[in-house]
Amino acid sequence: QSALTQPASVSGSPGQSITISCTGTSSDVGSYNLVSWYQQHPGKAPKLMIYEVSKRPSGVSNRFSGSKSGNTASLTISGLQAEDEADYYCCSYAGSSTSVFGGGTKLTVL
Amino acid sequence: EVQLVESGGGLVQPGRSLRLSCAASGFTFDDYAMHWVRQAPGKGLEWVSGISWNSGSIGYADSVKGRFTISRDNAKNSLYLQMNSLRAEDTALYYCAKDISLGGWLQSSGFDYWGQGTLVTVSS
Repeated sequence: QSALTQPASVSGSPGQSITISCTGTSSDVGSYNLVSWYQQHPGKAPKLMIYEVSKRPSGVSNRFSGSKSGNTASLTISGLQAEDEADYYCCSYAGSSTSVFGGGTKLTVL
Repeated sequence: EVQLVESGGGLVQPGRSLRLSCAASGFTFDDYAMHWVRQAPGKGLEWVSGISWNSGSIGYADSVKGRFTISRDNAKNSLYLQMNSLRAEDTALYYCAKDISLGGWLQSSGFDYWGQGTLVTVSS
């Protein structure tokens, strides 16, 4: 159960697009289409943004999208807005009734 | 409205035990798997444990296996985490989270509702 690998930080200007990667192994990300993404603002509980690799829960902006290739999943945010500045975490089912999170990525909107 | 309210956190000495509870409302509790996720101060999220709708499938992170026990009482719409042999590294905010997938099994697609967390501090 090793944590998934995410970049520590990414940044972008308003209106731009950014992509956050999430690299796992053939035992987690690569084996299941069960990757989810969470946004967390300081002092707040995490919020589900993407589930099952690319599905958006009701109420989540279509500026957020997800994808996966092999052992790496990605979250793309288009039309970056100031309120998107937050920490983002990926999570994958890892078999044997377990899940694993990534280390988190701090998004800065310049 | 879905609500998850955690309780039971506090300051505890290393080696001692603590039991966390999560009271759920606003959804059919026994239709969904439930999870505990923790976050150490200033650190990232860590999945701790999950339990299927009927308690038939249970999973633990390696870091807590053998020390923590997850359980649920569907009649009381409640989730629990019994934490034994606590260590300093267990200090964290513990969140209760609902699985998004109807059916209640542990191949988790994601966690769509979270509580506000209960803080556990392990220190002498």
